[in-house]
Amino acid sequence: KNQVEQSPQSLIILEGKNCTLQCNYTVSPFSNLRWYKQDTGRGPVSLTIMTFSENTKSNGRYTATLDADTKQSSLHITASQLSDSASYICVVSAGTNAGKSTFGDGTTLTVKP
Amino acid sequence: NAGVMQNPRHLVRRRGQEARLRCSPMKGHSHVYWYRQLPEEGLKFMVYLQKENIIDESGMPKERFSAEFPKEGPSILRIQQVVRGDSAAYFCASSPTPIGSEQYFGPGTRLTVT
Repeated sequence: KNQVEQSPQSLIILEGKNCTLQCNYTVSPFSNLRWYKQDTGRGPVSLTIMTFSENTKSNGRYTATLDADTKQSSLHITASQLSDSASYICVVSAGTNAGKSTFGDGTTLTVKP
Repeated sequence: NAGVMQNPRHLVRRRGQEARLRCSPMKGHSHVYWYRQLPEEGLKFMVYLQKENIIDESGMPKERFSAEFPKEGPSILRIQQVVRGDSAAYFCASSPTPIGSEQYFGPGTRLTVT
């Protein structure tokens, strides 16, 4: 069964600090892994998308890493801002199941001043 | 290029009524996905449609729920005889191609069943 596990479930950090969110998956065969940011009351917005051959991808202060061997990904946020407070969702797509992706339950990040 | 549009943004229905949620994909996108998000929970896949076809409805309840994506017009998620447990945010996403491609999400429809 395809699964995506995210940790921690929630995280509180002070403004300006860095943090790292984790995503472990058992989706097979792997197609790609995406990180989304979902602000409260809004739809998810894509941060990064990585395929099998990509180890690192950055989008501003967000850097995602992928280890396809251990089936792990991380999202690192640098110099956090209050606006980073949101839910971060890891999504993994399987190559054979057209269109269907497996979503993690998300990590809720709260950045405090 | 307008993003994915959903309407209404908020919908209140009494138990037993029908709810119709609409989703207009991004221009050029022919693949639509519906997700449900219960309060304090993650997004759960419901159904994946291509123009005039349901490709995967494995996440959709067998009864009372149906979806369509006609040749013309928006995709519709229909919930008949709503119950309190149907209260949730329903998100639609679209993509230009199916397998593993980037999905662009709409703002969601928040359904409240009283």
